[in-house]
Amino acid sequence: NAGVTQTPKFQVLKTGQSMTLQCAQDMNHEYMSWYRQDPGMGLRLIHYSVGAGITDQGEVPNGYNVSRSTTEDFPLRLLSAAPSQTSVYFCASFSRGEGTGELFFGEGSRLTVL
Amino acid sequence: EDQVTQSPEALRLQEGESSSLNCSYTVSGLRGLFWYRQDPGKGPEFLFTLYSAGEEKEKERLKATLTKKESFLHITAPKPEDSATYLCAVDAGNMLTFGGGTRLMVKP
Repeated sequence: NAGVTQTPKFQVLKTGQSMTLQCAQDMNHEYMSWYRQDPGMGLRLIHYSVGAGITDQGEVPNGYNVSRSTTEDFPLRLLSAAPSQTSVYFCASFSRGEGTGELFFGEGSRLTVL
Repeated sequence: EDQVTQSPEALRLQEGESSSLNCSYTVSGLRGLFWYRQDPGKGPEFLFTLYSAGEEKEKERLKATLTKKESFLHITAPKPEDSATYLCAVDAGNMLTFGGGTRLMVKP
């Protein structure tokens, strides 16, 4: 049981490049989400999904796309990277009605946009 | 709009010096308040969930309490290994809204 797995752990991009951050969970959680963490800003929600085929925007969605074709995977796409997207990205999942309702986090993906 | 504010932003304690971290919140329809611990370079790690005013939860040197407007994380006789960033989050809908965190440093 690996929990929430994110790849890559580190990435450097040039302005205008595109990339996908991968996220997979093996706990059969229906809820998945992406947060970004910046110094002094805490964790801010980018996009989330309440089940396969269903996604919605969070607090800071601009510049990011998501899709949810399976319960396990929830990739985050940067279509044209900008320096303002330099951040640490966390994927998280949980299941309502099970246990404490806690979010399980991945280890994070550190992205630098030059 | 849901808002979560944590204070102080940073806290330095001597080993054994007890203190409290504050999390004040404004939400419509609180479904739960969560405390997380985050170590440098790691993802947040779950500590507690509180659901209603008056509820308390304990784990080792940590005790979390909840009122209708705020939550406290009390740290009793902290040790250097308690040094971390502590995050508070509220669940008022589909996902969690986080505060900015309190960075705790405990010196031996």
